[in-house]
Amino acid sequence: AQKITQTQPGMFVQEKEAVTLDCTYDTSDQSYGLFWYKQPSSGEMIFLIYQGSYDEQNATEGRYSLNFQKARKSANLVISASQLGDSAMYFCAMREPFSGGYNKLIFGAGTRLAVHP
Amino acid sequence: DGGITQSPKYLFRKEGQNVTLSCEQNLNHDAMYWYRQDPGQGLRLIYYSQIVNDFQKGDIAEGYSVSREKKESFPLTVTSAQKNPTAFYLCASTVLAGGNNEQFFGPGTRLTVL
Repeated sequence: AQKITQTQPGMFVQEKEAVTLDCTYDTSDQSYGLFWYKQPSSGEMIFLIYQGSYDEQNATEGRYSLNFQKARKSANLVISASQLGDSAMYFCAMREPFSGGYNKLIFGAGTRLAVHP
Repeated sequence: DGGITQSPKYLFRKEGQNVTLSCEQNLNHDAMYWYRQDPGQGLRLIYYSQIVNDFQKGDIAEGYSVSREKKESFPLTVTSAQKNPTAFYLCASTVLAGGNNEQFFGPGTRLTVL
């Protein structure tokens, strides 16, 4: 069965510093996708970044980058120049292979990030 | 503005009562999903739907029911058979085609059983 593991229940970082949130996954499929979502205290899930299993380069979106190490089955999120507004829960998720026309996501337990001034 | 709306934001229910959570999207997405989130945990899939009048059970469908009579709407009913319904419920949608297929989420409904 596919599985996502986030081993850091909580992290804190100083404002303007970079932080890495860990994510490892387990799948026997060759085609899959990895997502990171941010969940502020309001509860809404905000999409941050996506990495496909066949993408040769690490994904980047502004201050977010994904450190994709396929052989180690890890997809760590790197946030550069942390801001106070980055304080939130962060979830790593994996898309099951595209089959039957739907897109099922499996989520990790999340990491709570606190940014300190 | 395109997006997903969920109502109500907070919902209180007495034990033994059925309640229905609303989810509407104007993104013209074909697929819609319902997730449950318990404190300190990730999301678990309850039901999903690819097209109108079709839906499939997710990982924790027992005690829940859904309908998909319109493309824009995917209401979730929490029945009295759900033994522990107090949780945060999130609705999501996505297009079927394309490589990215990120899911767009609504603001959620927090259900509390009294």
